[in-house]
Amino acid sequence: TQLLEQSPQFLSIQEGENLTVYCNSSSVFSSLQWYRQEPGEGPVLLVTVVTGGEVKKLKRLTFQFGDARKDSSLHITAAQTGDTGLYLCAGARPGNTGKLIFGQGTTLQVKP
Amino acid sequence: NAGVTQTPKFQVLKTGQSMTLQCAQDMNHEYMSWYRQDPGMGLRLIHYSVGAGITDQGEVPNGYNVSRSTTEDFPLRLLSAAPSQTSVYFCASSGRGLPNQPQHFGDGTRLSIL
Repeated sequence: TQLLEQSPQFLSIQEGENLTVYCNSSSVFSSLQWYRQEPGEGPVLLVTVVTGGEVKKLKRLTFQFGDARKDSSLHITAAQTGDTGLYLCAGARPGNTGKLIFGQGTTLQVKP
Repeated sequence: NAGVTQTPKFQVLKTGQSMTLQCAQDMNHEYMSWYRQDPGMGLRLIHYSVGAGITDQGEVPNGYNVSRSTTEDFPLRLLSAAPSQTSVYFCASSGRGLPNQPQHFGDGTRLSIL
């Protein structure tokens, strides 16, 4: 059973389009992180959201943490080919155990 | 700035062989973790450690052993490799203070079991 459900799993869009990736759970998380991974490399942190309802922006990327801290979304405005990659959400369960639970990932392909 | 270093980068084993995947970090991080990444499965936690001498199981620990004798090193041992362990393995470290601390990942070890 996947504790964090990411959708969609695959997304292929044209450059300039907008997109949203969702990360949903029935469990509460003390924080949620979004990572981006390129082929042959490890994931790299994009952002951490901690407070319910929090919105963070990173250039054309907007991250939101749900009010109940059970879900999160990543919205990309005017996607560019450089946005191509695997996007992963990861949640930290309450208790600060040092463990992260990852979603299945969303593979994004942005075509020129 | 080395960060998290994993060796080897690639390895092919025969069923039943044993091997150790090495992981070292130079950031004095207390938390270290091992994940495996399979298509459509994201990253699944194998074992983790919150400090030297302390380890615990993650979601998929069977077939793997770990130890943490120093802060810097966290090796992962496969005692008797099976084809189901073919995967990409990532080691990660983070400082004390989750949930806000990011995990720093190595570049992975690509392991094939024949």
